[in-house]
Amino acid sequence: KQEVTQIPAALSVPEGENLVLNCSFTDSAIYNLQWFRQDPGKGLTSLLLIQSSQREQTSGRLNASLDKSSGRSTLYIAASQPGDSATYLCAVDRYSGGGADGLTFGKGTHLIIQP
Amino acid sequence: NAGVTQTPKFQVLKTGQSMTLQCAQDMNHNSMYWYRQDPGMGLRLIYYSASEGTTDKGEVPNGYNVSRLNKREFSLRLESAAPSQTSVYFCSSPGEGTDTQYFGPGTRLTVL
Repeated sequence: KQEVTQIPAALSVPEGENLVLNCSFTDSAIYNLQWFRQDPGKGLTSLLLIQSSQREQTSGRLNASLDKSSGRSTLYIAASQPGDSATYLCAVDRYSGGGADGLTFGKGTHLIIQP
Repeated sequence: NAGVTQTPKFQVLKTGQSMTLQCAQDMNHNSMYWYRQDPGMGLRLIYYSASEGTTDKGEVPNGYNVSRLNKREFSLRLESAAPSQTSVYFCSSPGEGTDTQYFGPGTRLTVL
C-alpha cells in the first residue's frame, strides 16, 4: 500500500527566507505527484503537478522536484511571504487523474511565515 | 464557472440521523471523488465515480452510499450517522487531460 510522508510536520520561519518542504512515497509506481495548498477551513488548491516522466515544475516562486526512483519530492518556496502561510499537502496517484485508487495524501506541512 | 461546489458547508447531526452531502462540478469532467479529512489521518478516499451511473468503493466506504445520477452531480449519503463520521468531507474532480485535481470547499460534519 502506498504511503506518503511529509517532513517537517510544522515549520515557522521569518519572512523572506527560502524554504524546502519534503515529501516521500514508498511505491515508485506513480503516475503524477501533486502539491496542494490548504488554507484554514478551506478546500485544497493544486499548486504544481509533476508527471512521473518529469523532474521538476515551476510556478512563480514555487519549484517542485521529483526523484521517482528514490521516492522523493521537494517543494521549494523562494522569498517566503506571510501570505504563504498555509498547510501544504503532497499527493501521488497510480493512474492518470487518480483512477479507482484516487490520490494518496501525506498529512501535510503546516507552514507559518512570520512578518 | 464555479468549479466544484459542495453543500452544506456545515452540519451537525445526532447519532442515527441521516443526511446527504451534495457535490456538483461545472467543468464537464467525467471522474469525481469523495474524501474525508481527519486530524492526524490525512485525506482518505471514500468513493469514486468514473462516469455517470458508475461508482466504486475507496479506502473507507463503510457507513456511506453514493449516487452519480448525472455528469455534474455526485452525492454522498450517511444512512445512520455515527460519531466516527465526524470529519471534513471533500469532493474533487480531475481535469480531463491535465490530471489537476479540483477540490470543493468542503462540508464540516459533526455527529453528536
